[in-house]
Amino acid sequence: DAKTTQPTSMDCAEGRAANLPCNHSTISGNEYVYWYRQIHSQGPQYIIHGLKNNETNEMASLIITEDRKSSTLILPHATLRDTAVYYCIVSFGQNFVFGPGTRLSVLP
Amino acid sequence: DAGVIQSPRHEVTEMGQEVTLRCKPISGHDYLFWYRQTMMRGLELLIYFNNNVPIDDSGMPEDRFSAKMPNASFSTLKIQPSEPRDSAVYFCASSFWGAQTEAFFGQGTRLTVV
Repeated sequence: DAKTTQPTSMDCAEGRAANLPCNHSTISGNEYVYWYRQIHSQGPQYIIHGLKNNETNEMASLIITEDRKSSTLILPHATLRDTAVYYCIVSFGQNFVFGPGTRLSVLP
Repeated sequence: DAGVIQSPRHEVTEMGQEVTLRCKPISGHDYLFWYRQTMMRGLELLIYFNNNVPIDDSGMPEDRFSAKMPNASFSTLKIQPSEPRDSAVYFCASSFWGAQTEAFFGQGTRLTVV
């Protein structure tokens, strides 16, 4: 079973920041937080991951709370192409368990 | 690198027939994963390999499913005999070893069993 809880769906206006929350209250000390997304009918795509520090790359930022029980993925300027299902996963190593994710709709 | 390559992209077969799905991982990756995605169950990990050796096949639904990795650049997932409930999108992914690593997914094979 997935160790994370995410909202089923969210809307975001194009050009605005999209903030996707994830709860992982049972995360272990050595488990990383990963975010993937899946655009319709494509394979999942890696976005970002982190352990306890906030992380940023060209796609997004990841904010992890100090107690590591929750995190937020931030897409700073959402575009229509960011419409996808976003998966938050906690894992140590290679065994990724995907939950249902959050369906993000970016609206024009 | 062209990424993870899966073939065929689409497969339609009749119930009872054997189906073989193929995957070429990214060169140099030592982990390979097979996932299945359906509307009802989402993305499920079926099996994964490390250095061509199956590590965890607990997700394989039943004996009709088998997977092999004869070398570092090729893997197959076989269903024999196929059933309509096997209809799904099957994804292959590969990654490097490590506590923190990203998996690269192929484009998937959409299987329809009629």
